[in-house]
Amino acid sequence: AQSVSQHNHHVILSEAASLELGCNYSYGGTVNLFWYVQYPGQHLQLLLKYFSGDPLVKGIKGFEAEFIKSKFSFNLRKPSVQWSDTAEYFCAVRHSGGYQKVTFGIGTKLQVIP
Amino acid sequence: NAGVTQTPKFQVLKTGQSMTLQCAQDMNHNSMYWYRQDPGMGLRLIYYSASEGTTDKGEVPNGYNVSRLNKREFSLRLESAAPSQTSVYFCASSNPQTEAQYFGPGTRLLVL
Repeated sequence: AQSVSQHNHHVILSEAASLELGCNYSYGGTVNLFWYVQYPGQHLQLLLKYFSGDPLVKGIKGFEAEFIKSKFSFNLRKPSVQWSDTAEYFCAVRHSGGYQKVTFGIGTKLQVIP
Repeated sequence: NAGVTQTPKFQVLKTGQSMTLQCAQDMNHNSMYWYRQDPGMGLRLIYYSASEGTTDKGEVPNGYNVSRLNKREFSLRLESAAPSQTSVYFCASSNPQTEAQYFGPGTRLLVL
């Protein structure tokens, strides 16, 4: 069974600091990769996704992620975080093809201090 | 478009009681899902429905049943609630073209 590992469970940053959240997955085949964000008290929203092509994917609100196939990684980055980025971030992986079951990581809570 | 809607938003049950969580989507998506979210465990798939008329078990199906009533609606039933089912439940749907999941606002369930 595929699994998704998010190594940082709780990250605290000051505003304007750079962010990188790690995500590794276990499946060796072709995958679709996602990052979702959950702001306090809200439901999950799609931040960005990778299906194919350019491994550097840009999402909403200045976030980007890089797919490194050799490392089975899909790390999320933002050059300069804002207080409004305080949220929980989930990495998710789906086998390409077949039914649409998606495996989520356990999430990383990001707290940005003004 | 309302997207994905869920009812109720919050529910308190006593052990042994039953209830049904309702979910509907107006995006004409084929696939729908039920997840539970628990601290430190992320989202775990309970059941999913790849298309109208089909349902399949996810990672944690025990204690739950589902019904895909039509293309729009996918309900989750707890026949005999247990304290271990205290959680936040999210319904989601997905579009095969975009393959992203759209989530509802969630139902907070407390089982005493």
